[in-house]
Amino acid sequence: GQQVMQIPQYQHVQEGEDFTTYCNSSTTLSNIQWYKQRPGGHPVFLIQLVKSGEVKKQKRLTFQFGEAKKNSSLHITATQTTDVGTYFCAGHSGNTGKLIFGQGTTLQVKP
Amino acid sequence: DGGITQSPKYLFRKEGQNVTLSCEQNLNHDAMYWYRQDPGQGLRLIYYSQIVNDFQKGDIAEGYSVSREKKESFPLTVTSAQKNPTAFYLCASSPTTSYNEQFFGPGTRLTVL
Repeated sequence: GQQVMQIPQYQHVQEGEDFTTYCNSSTTLSNIQWYKQRPGGHPVFLIQLVKSGEVKKQKRLTFQFGEAKKNSSLHITATQTTDVGTYFCAGHSGNTGKLIFGQGTTLQVKP
Repeated sequence: DGGITQSPKYLFRKEGQNVTLSCEQNLNHDAMYWYRQDPGQGLRLIYYSQIVNDFQKGDIAEGYSVSREKKESFPLTVTSAQKNPTAFYLCASSPTTSYNEQFFGPGTRLTVL
């Protein structure tokens, strides 16, 4: 079945360093969404990308959707302790209505 | 105050007992979802409902059942047939199933002893 793979699974960085997580789908996606889950919390929507090659920025966060609409990345510049959490990508494929989630990347930031 | 609620936050049950987790939303969303989250894994879809009185199986529906009698409510029953029920259960809703962001409830952590 359709799979969305996300790497790395864990990342420890020093505060101020950059961080990137990558998402790859086995099939072409209609869209890609990114969510953040703080420790002990629930996923919260960050952003959605729909167009091939699309790039969106939210302050220190940069999101990209690949040209083939099968991969995506989230890059955080100059991490802060408030960035700690697990970042999930998720995508729709076709018209099933089902959102397929990657396994998530857990980010730890050392002050 | 609009939102999606799940109760209780923590739930303990003995093996062999059925248990029902509640999920209520007042966002007037048509679509609702149930996910299971295990450590180190992403969210796996159990069931979803696109509209009242209709629901579809997700990727891991075995051992679970749902109902959608009201737009606001989508309860999940974890039956004794579910072999590994201990997990974190998340309910979500969205305006429709078409490419909308999903709004998640706070989750219920179920432990089966």
